[in-house]
Amino acid sequence: ELKVEQNPLFLSMQEGKNYTIYCNYSTTSDRLYWYRQDPGKSLESLFVLLSNGAVKQEGRLMASLDTKARLSTLHITAAVHDLSATYFCAVDIRGFLDSNYQLIWGAGTKLIIKP
Amino acid sequence: DARVTQTPRHKVTEMGQEVTMRCQPILGHNTVFWYRQTMMQGLELLAYFRNRAPLDDSGMPKDRFSAEMPDATLATLKIQPSEPRDSAVYFCASGLVLRGREKLFFGSGTQLSVL
Repeated sequence: ELKVEQNPLFLSMQEGKNYTIYCNYSTTSDRLYWYRQDPGKSLESLFVLLSNGAVKQEGRLMASLDTKARLSTLHITAAVHDLSATYFCAVDIRGFLDSNYQLIWGAGTKLIIKP
Repeated sequence: DARVTQTPRHKVTEMGQEVTMRCQPILGHNTVFWYRQTMMQGLELLAYFRNRAPLDDSGMPKDRFSAEMPDATLATLKIQPSEPRDSAVYFCASGLVLRGREKLFFGSGTQLSVL
């Protein structure tokens, strides 16, 4: 069964702290996406990771991909309140130009950062 | 800024009524997706199109749901008859392959409540 598991599913933290969200997946893939969703809003693409060892950084967020371990991490450095949102990872099995496209989504990690 | 436009933003209807949701993908994007989001199931892929042709709608209950792309600027998702269990947020996303990277852009969603 194709599965994408995120943990934790809920995280409450103080501003200024560092933390990591984990995304494990059960099948071979070298494409992984991170999205952010604010309450009542749409999903916004954060990172696209396309190869083993890929690392992307944007502000206080850094994402990495280890295809051998089937693991991606989203690291938050010195968290600020504005980063409060739900973060999703999604694993692309074949790519959406393939007629058997499959993008498997994690359940999301709800992140609350307290001022 | 180019964006995916969905209408309506909110829809409240009674069980048994027909519901039509519309999506205008970003100009030039040739892949369009319909997703449903609920607390219990998370994000579920309902259907997707490439160059207006349906590639996969296996995630959709065929007896009541239908998805079409009458032209490149419009995708529709219909539910007839609607049921309370259809209450969810329905997202449309359009996609583009650019320099080997695939990126999805999500609309703001249609919040559907079936009473």
